Amino acid sequence: SQKIEQNSEALNIQEGKTATLTCNYTNYSPAYLQWYRQDPGRGPVFLLLIRENEKEKRKERLKVTFDTTLKQSLFHITASQPADSATYLCALDMIERNAGNMLTFGGGTRLMVKP
Amino acid sequence: DTEVTQTPKHLVMGMTNKKSLKCEQHMGHRAMYWYKQKAKKPPELMFVYSYEKLSINESVPSRFSPECPNSSLLNLHLHALQPEDSALYLCASSPRVELPPNYGYTFGSGTRLTVV
Repeated sequence: SQKIEQNSEALNIQEGKTATLTCNYTNYSPAYLQWYRQDPGRGPVFLLLIRENEKEKRKERLKVTFDTTLKQSLFHITASQPADSATYLCALDMIERNAGNMLTFGGGTRLMVKP
Repeated sequence: DTEVTQTPKHLVMGMTNKKSLKCEQHMGHRAMYWYKQKAKKPPELMFVYSYEKLSINESVPSRFSPECPNSSLLNLHLHALQPEDSALYLCASSPRVELPPNYGYTFGSGTRLTVV
């Protein structure tokens, strides 16, 4: 079955630096991959979606890359701010079911941006 | 309205109680989901509803019973739960199970359930 790994449980960086989070998966390549932000006690908030035929996607200070050869996605936050501190989750669709797509999440990376 | 609303926000129930969690969205989304999240773990899929029909049940115990009365509402009926069922229960929706470009799921804030 598909496994999704986010390499770091926690990542501490200094304000203003670029945070880079990693998501690796095994087995088949998904049709798309998503990144979410989750704050404590809240539901995940959708950030970006990247499709298998896209190499890179940007939104403001966020950038996502998708390498289907390496089976890896990188998520970058440039010019990081303390307000970016949260848990970031990558999520893949599981297309093996006839019922349609459904999202499965990686373990998450807790990002702490220090002033 | 671009939100998924979950009620109640907090729920404490005994192991013999029957309670229900409610989820509502008015975005016209035709796919709705229940996820369970334990502390410091990612959300885990429980159920998928597509066009008001149950399409995926991830081997969830029968003490959890989902219901989709109409395209805007999703309920999760709880009965005879165990303390280990204590978790954050999240509802989510999407336009349809096959996502359109650049569209993710919209999650509610969840119901924090404690079983005593």
